[in-house]
Amino acid sequence: GAVVSQHPSRVICKSGTSVKIECRSLDFQATTMFWYRQFPKQSLMLMATSNEGSKATYEQGVEKDKFLINHASLTLSTLTVTSAHPEDSSFYICSARGASGHGYTFGSGTRLTVV
Amino acid sequence: GENVEQHPSTLSVQEGDSAVIKCTYSDSASNYFPWYKQELGKRPQLIIDIRSNVGEKKDQRIAVTLNKTAKHFSLHITETQPEDSAVYFCAASRMDSSYKLIFGSGTRLLVRP
Repeated sequence: GAVVSQHPSRVICKSGTSVKIECRSLDFQATTMFWYRQFPKQSLMLMATSNEGSKATYEQGVEKDKFLINHASLTLSTLTVTSAHPEDSSFYICSARGASGHGYTFGSGTRLTVV
Repeated sequence: GENVEQHPSTLSVQEGDSAVIKCTYSDSASNYFPWYKQELGKRPQLIIDIRSNVGEKKDQRIAVTLNKTAKHFSLHITETQPEDSAVYFCAASRMDSSYKLIFGSGTRLLVRP
């Protein structure tokens, strides 16, 4: 079945630094990638949608200059949290969808802790 | 945009009993409704889904019903087992070019042995 590999699984960074999270689709072409953020005991909140080769579309309230999304190829999308602050500490998870409409394939998530 | 509401937020049942979780959605154009089970720190796992051209779907102990007119759908788990304990999320999607999947707030299910 479809697999999305997400790295790193856990990262701790200092306030003010940037962190990059990668999601790779291993056996299909991810034409669309969705990025979610999940705070403890809360739901998955959609941050942005990116289509390969296009600029990402951000949900209301999500700062596009803080959460940089790149989807330069059909198998790789990255989320960079810039100038991270403790309130950015969360579980970030990607979800990919291919052109064939096979459904949504989730990455394994990244636990970000900003200290 | 789409808004998905989910109830209850927590549900405790005795092993063997049934559990029902309900969701409503706001966008009448939504036509794909998956249910996910998420264990702590893990990715959501798809357990069942339904498209708007059917009213009910069943897979062993799990079933989903959809009422398009009322814009609500429900998850039914029968003969619950302790390993069913987890957080369950409903979601809704509009199968257009954006394919955004919007999640409900989640239900924490506890099955007591």
